[in-house]
Amino acid sequence: ETGVTQSPTHLIKTRGQQVTLRCSSQSGHNTVSWYQQALGQGPQFIFQYYREEENGRGNFPPRFSGLQFPNYSSELNVNALELDDSALYLCASSSLLRREQYFGPGTRLTVT
Amino acid sequence: KNQVEQSPQSLIILEGKNCTLQCNYTVSPFSNLRWYKQDTGRGPVSLTIMTFSENTKSNGRYTATLDADTKQSSLHITASQLSDSASYICVVEAYNQGGKLIFGQGTELSVKP
Repeated sequence: ETGVTQSPTHLIKTRGQQVTLRCSSQSGHNTVSWYQQALGQGPQFIFQYYREEENGRGNFPPRFSGLQFPNYSSELNVNALELDDSALYLCASSSLLRREQYFGPGTRLTVT
Repeated sequence: KNQVEQSPQSLIILEGKNCTLQCNYTVSPFSNLRWYKQDTGRGPVSLTIMTFSENTKSNGRYTATLDADTKQSSLHITASQLSDSASYICVVEAYNQGGKLIFGQGTELSVKP
Protein backbone atom coordinates (compact mmCIF):
# COMPACT_ATOMS: atom_id res chain seq x y z
CA GLU A 1 0.00 0.00 0.00
CA THR A 2 1.31 3.44 -0.97
CA GLY A 3 -0.94 5.50 1.30
CA VAL A 4 -2.50 7.22 -1.73
CA THR A 5 -6.24 6.69 -2.06
CA GLN A 6 -8.62 7.49 -4.89
CA SER A 7 -12.37 7.61 -5.17
CA PRO A 8 -14.51 6.32 -6.62
CA THR A 9 -12.95 3.07 -7.82
CA HIS A 10 -15.30 2.76 -10.78
CA LEU A 11 -17.57 5.24 -12.51
CA ILE A 12 -19.88 5.16 -15.52
CA LYS A 13 -20.92 8.41 -17.21
CA THR A 14 -22.60 9.34 -20.46
CA ARG A 15 -21.11 11.50 -23.18
CA GLY A 16 -21.41 15.22 -22.45
CA GLN A 17 -21.58 14.83 -18.68
CA GLN A 18 -19.06 16.15 -16.18
CA VAL A 19 -17.08 14.07 -13.68
CA THR A 20 -14.98 14.74 -10.58
CA LEU A 21 -12.36 12.28 -9.37
CA ARG A 22 -10.68 12.55 -5.99
CA CYS A 23 -7.25 11.72 -4.62
CA SER A 24 -5.82 11.80 -1.10
CA SER A 25 -2.05 12.15 -0.99
CA GLN A 26 0.38 10.25 1.15
CA SER A 27 1.08 12.02 4.42
CA GLY A 28 3.83 14.63 4.09
CA HIS A 29 3.53 14.95 0.30
CA ASN A 30 2.76 18.37 -1.16
CA THR A 31 2.77 17.48 -4.85
CA VAL A 32 0.16 15.51 -6.79
CA SER A 33 0.19 14.43 -10.41
CA TRP A 34 -2.67 13.05 -12.49
CA TYR A 35 -2.38 10.55 -15.34
CA GLN A 36 -4.75 8.99 -17.87
CA GLN A 37 -4.12 5.38 -18.82
CA ALA A 38 -6.04 3.96 -21.76
CA LEU A 39 -6.40 0.19 -21.98
CA GLY A 40 -3.13 -1.43 -23.02
CA GLN A 41 -1.21 1.84 -22.95
CA GLY A 42 1.17 3.54 -20.57
CA PRO A 43 -0.12 6.43 -18.46
CA GLN A 44 -0.19 9.90 -20.03
CA PHE A 45 0.66 12.93 -17.88
CA ILE A 46 -2.31 15.29 -17.44
CA PHE A 47 -0.97 17.83 -14.93
CA GLN A 48 0.80 18.31 -11.64
CA TYR A 49 -0.10 20.48 -8.64
CA TYR A 50 2.32 21.81 -6.05
CA ARG A 51 1.01 23.73 -3.06
CA GLU A 52 -2.36 24.34 -4.71
CA GLU A 53 -0.89 25.73 -7.96
CA GLU A 54 -0.62 23.96 -11.32
CA ASN A 55 3.06 23.14 -11.79
CA GLY A 56 3.09 21.50 -15.21
CA ARG A 57 0.63 20.25 -17.81
CA GLY A 58 0.60 17.61 -20.52
CA ASN A 59 -1.22 17.69 -23.86
CA PHE A 60 -4.78 17.65 -22.55
CA PRO A 61 -7.53 20.14 -23.47
CA PRO A 62 -8.81 22.75 -20.99
CA ARG A 63 -11.88 20.65 -20.20
CA PHE A 64 -9.48 18.68 -17.99
CA SER A 65 -8.96 20.79 -14.89
CA GLY A 66 -7.78 20.24 -11.37
CA LEU A 67 -7.65 21.51 -7.84
CA GLN A 68 -5.37 20.92 -4.91
CA PHE A 69 -6.58 21.72 -1.42
CA PRO A 70 -4.65 23.00 1.62
CA ASN A 71 -4.45 19.44 2.97
CA TYR A 72 -2.85 18.50 -0.40
CA SER A 73 -5.73 16.29 -1.49
CA SER A 74 -6.73 16.84 -5.09
CA GLU A 75 -9.54 16.67 -7.61
CA LEU A 76 -9.54 16.04 -11.34
CA ASN A 77 -12.53 17.48 -13.19
CA VAL A 78 -13.44 16.57 -16.74
CA ASN A 79 -16.18 18.49 -18.55
CA ALA A 80 -18.09 17.52 -21.69
CA LEU A 81 -17.05 13.88 -21.48
CA GLU A 82 -16.15 12.11 -24.70
CA LEU A 83 -16.06 8.38 -25.40
CA ASP A 84 -12.24 8.52 -25.64
CA ASP A 85 -12.08 9.74 -22.04
CA SER A 86 -12.79 6.17 -20.95
CA ALA A 87 -9.63 5.14 -19.11
CA LEU A 88 -7.99 4.43 -15.77
CA TYR A 89 -7.18 7.72 -14.05
CA LEU A 90 -4.22 7.58 -11.71
CA CYS A 91 -2.98 10.10 -9.22
CA ALA A 92 0.47 10.06 -7.70
CA SER A 93 1.78 12.02 -4.75
CA SER A 94 5.31 13.06 -3.97
CA SER A 95 7.31 15.72 -2.22
CA LEU A 96 9.00 18.14 -4.57
CA LEU A 97 12.38 17.40 -3.02
CA ARG A 98 12.17 13.66 -3.57
CA ARG A 99 11.63 12.18 -7.00
CA GLU A 100 9.66 9.17 -5.94
CA GLN A 101 5.98 9.26 -6.92
CA TYR A 102 3.53 6.98 -5.14
CA PHE A 103 0.51 5.97 -7.18
CA GLY A 104 -3.01 5.38 -6.01
CA PRO A 105 -5.06 2.41 -7.23
CA GLY A 106 -6.83 4.48 -9.87
CA THR A 107 -10.40 5.29 -10.87
CA ARG A 108 -11.80 3.37 -13.83
CA LEU A 109 -13.99 5.76 -15.84
CA THR A 110 -16.29 4.44 -18.55
CA VAL A 111 -18.04 6.90 -20.85
CA THR A 112 -21.00 5.53 -22.83
CA LYS B 1 9.28 14.34 -29.78
CA ASN B 2 9.92 12.87 -26.34
CA GLN B 3 9.21 9.15 -26.51
CA VAL B 4 9.83 5.99 -24.55
CA GLU B 5 9.66 2.67 -26.36
CA GLN B 6 9.77 -0.76 -24.79
CA SER B 7 10.35 -4.26 -26.06
CA PRO B 8 9.12 -6.86 -26.18
CA GLN B 9 5.45 -5.92 -25.98
CA SER B 10 4.73 -9.17 -24.16
CA LEU B 11 6.75 -12.07 -22.80
CA ILE B 12 5.96 -15.50 -21.40
CA ILE B 13 8.56 -17.32 -19.28
CA LEU B 14 8.63 -20.31 -16.97
CA GLU B 15 8.87 -19.88 -13.22
CA GLY B 16 12.48 -19.75 -12.06
CA LYS B 17 13.85 -18.44 -15.35
CA ASN B 18 15.49 -15.05 -15.88
CA CYS B 19 14.38 -12.40 -18.34
CA THR B 20 15.44 -8.97 -19.60
CA LEU B 21 13.17 -6.16 -20.70
CA GLN B 22 14.38 -3.31 -22.90
CA CYS B 23 13.67 0.40 -23.00
CA ASN B 24 14.84 3.07 -25.47
CA TYR B 25 14.08 6.74 -25.00
CA THR B 26 14.46 10.00 -26.86
CA VAL B 27 13.58 12.31 -23.96
CA SER B 28 15.81 15.36 -23.73
CA PRO B 29 16.92 16.91 -21.51
CA PHE B 30 16.94 13.87 -19.29
CA SER B 31 16.48 13.90 -15.54
CA ASN B 32 15.98 10.30 -14.47
CA LEU B 33 14.68 6.93 -15.59
CA ARG B 34 12.39 4.69 -13.59
CA TRP B 35 10.99 1.22 -13.84
CA TYR B 36 7.55 0.52 -12.46
CA LYS B 37 5.61 -2.71 -11.95
CA GLN B 38 1.86 -2.50 -12.52
CA ASP B 39 -0.49 -5.30 -11.60
CA THR B 40 -3.75 -5.45 -13.53
CA GLY B 41 -6.19 -2.80 -12.33
CA ARG B 42 -3.71 -1.35 -9.83
CA GLY B 43 -1.49 1.71 -9.75
CA PRO B 44 2.18 1.39 -10.75
CA VAL B 45 4.72 0.63 -8.02
CA SER B 46 8.28 1.92 -8.32
CA LEU B 47 11.10 -0.61 -8.67
CA THR B 48 14.12 1.62 -9.40
CA ILE B 49 15.04 5.23 -10.16
CA MET B 50 18.33 6.12 -11.87
CA THR B 51 19.87 9.47 -12.73
CA PHE B 52 22.19 9.90 -15.72
CA SER B 53 25.25 9.20 -13.58
CA GLU B 54 24.03 5.79 -12.42
CA ASN B 55 24.70 2.73 -14.57
CA THR B 56 22.98 0.07 -12.53
CA LYS B 57 20.60 -0.24 -9.61
CA SER B 58 19.17 -3.30 -7.93
CA ASN B 59 16.03 -3.95 -5.93
CA GLY B 60 15.95 -7.55 -4.80
CA ARG B 61 15.63 -9.77 -7.86
CA TYR B 62 15.25 -6.72 -10.11
CA THR B 63 18.33 -5.09 -11.65
CA ALA B 64 18.07 -2.06 -13.90
CA THR B 65 20.85 -0.74 -16.13
CA LEU B 66 21.15 2.61 -17.84
CA ASP B 67 23.33 3.79 -20.73
CA ALA B 68 22.69 7.52 -20.96
CA ASP B 69 24.91 7.81 -24.04
CA THR B 70 22.84 5.41 -26.14
CA LYS B 71 19.63 6.27 -24.25
CA GLN B 72 18.90 2.67 -23.43
CA SER B 73 17.86 0.89 -20.26
CA SER B 74 17.11 -2.68 -19.33
CA LEU B 75 15.37 -4.42 -16.46
CA HIS B 76 16.64 -7.88 -15.57
CA ILE B 77 14.50 -10.17 -13.45
CA THR B 78 16.26 -13.08 -11.81
CA ALA B 79 14.66 -16.37 -10.74
CA SER B 80 11.17 -15.28 -11.76
CA GLN B 81 8.17 -16.01 -9.58
CA LEU B 82 4.49 -16.32 -10.43
CA SER B 83 3.90 -13.01 -8.63
CA ASP B 84 6.19 -11.28 -11.13
CA SER B 85 3.39 -11.53 -13.70
CA ALA B 86 2.52 -7.88 -14.39
CA SER B 87 3.15 -5.00 -16.76
CA TYR B 88 6.60 -3.44 -16.44
CA ILE B 89 6.73 0.18 -17.45
CA CYS B 90 9.80 2.25 -18.26
CA VAL B 91 9.35 5.92 -17.36
CA VAL B 92 11.56 8.92 -18.08
CA GLU B 93 11.34 12.23 -16.30
CA ALA B 94 12.27 15.21 -18.42
CA TYR B 95 14.52 17.78 -16.79
CA ASN B 96 12.91 20.96 -15.49
CA GLN B 97 9.45 20.31 -16.97
CA GLY B 98 7.27 20.41 -13.91
CA GLY B 99 7.56 16.77 -12.92
CA LYS B 100 6.29 15.48 -16.25
CA LEU B 101 6.84 11.73 -16.56
CA ILE B 102 6.87 10.08 -19.97
CA PHE B 103 5.73 6.48 -19.86
CA GLY B 104 6.47 3.63 -22.20
CA GLN B 105 3.62 1.37 -23.24
CA GLY B 106 4.87 -1.40 -20.96
CA THR B 107 5.96 -4.99 -21.35
CA GLU B 108 3.35 -7.52 -20.28
CA LEU B 109 5.18 -10.33 -18.46
CA SER B 110 3.50 -13.64 -17.77
CA VAL B 111 5.28 -16.18 -15.57
CA LYS B 112 3.95 -19.72 -15.95
CA PRO B 113 4.42 -22.64 -13.52
